[in-house]
Amino acid sequence: GENVEQHPSTLSVQEGDSAVIKCTYSDSASNYFPWYKQELGKRPQLIIDIRSNVGEKKDQRIAVTLNKTAKHFSLHITETQPEDSAVYFCAASKGGAAGNKLTFGGGTRVLVKP
Amino acid sequence: NAGVTQTPKFQVLKTGQSMTLQCAQDMNHEYMSWYRQDPGMGLRLIHYSVGAGITDQGEVPNGYNVSRSTTEDFPLRLLSAAPSQTSVYFCASSTWTGGIGNTIYFGEGSWLTVV
Repeated sequence: GENVEQHPSTLSVQEGDSAVIKCTYSDSASNYFPWYKQELGKRPQLIIDIRSNVGEKKDQRIAVTLNKTAKHFSLHITETQPEDSAVYFCAASKGGAAGNKLTFGGGTRVLVKP
Repeated sequence: NAGVTQTPKFQVLKTGQSMTLQCAQDMNHEYMSWYRQDPGMGLRLIHYSVGAGITDQGEVPNGYNVSRSTTEDFPLRLLSAAPSQTSVYFCASSTWTGGIGNTIYFGEGSWLTVV
């Protein structure tokens, strides 16, 4: 089955700096890669996703890149703010008719210091 | 439109007891699934369903049963609770509109403690 590895497990950045989280996946058939932000005691919230037919996607301060050849994808947060502090998860799935069978990475705890 | 609704939100069980976590969605989604999240870890898939009457196992199915008699509901049954099943459980739903990938909606979670 699919295996997703996520690094780093913790990330501390100064407010205004950038944060980068990297994930690798094992199943070349995976084609949908969402990123979730989870605050303490809350459900995972989708912040951005990327599909295999796209190499990069940006939404305001958040961007995601995908390298299908190397089987890795990354989350970039620019101009970090204290409210960006949370745990971030990457995930991979085959999407489409495979439904919502997500394989998650282990998570990255991001702390933005004011 | 309530989205994905899970009940109960908190539950304490004794070892050996059985219980059912309820999940309902009002978005007419064909895909539903259950995940568990242990402390400091990502979510892991327990069971999933691609439509009413169709279920299959995920990564960690042992100790859990599911059924899908309607599109809206996808209950998760713990047959004989064990301390190892102490976790947060998330139900999720999605629909496929063609193309690549489904946007997946999570419920608020159910915190289960087995003592």
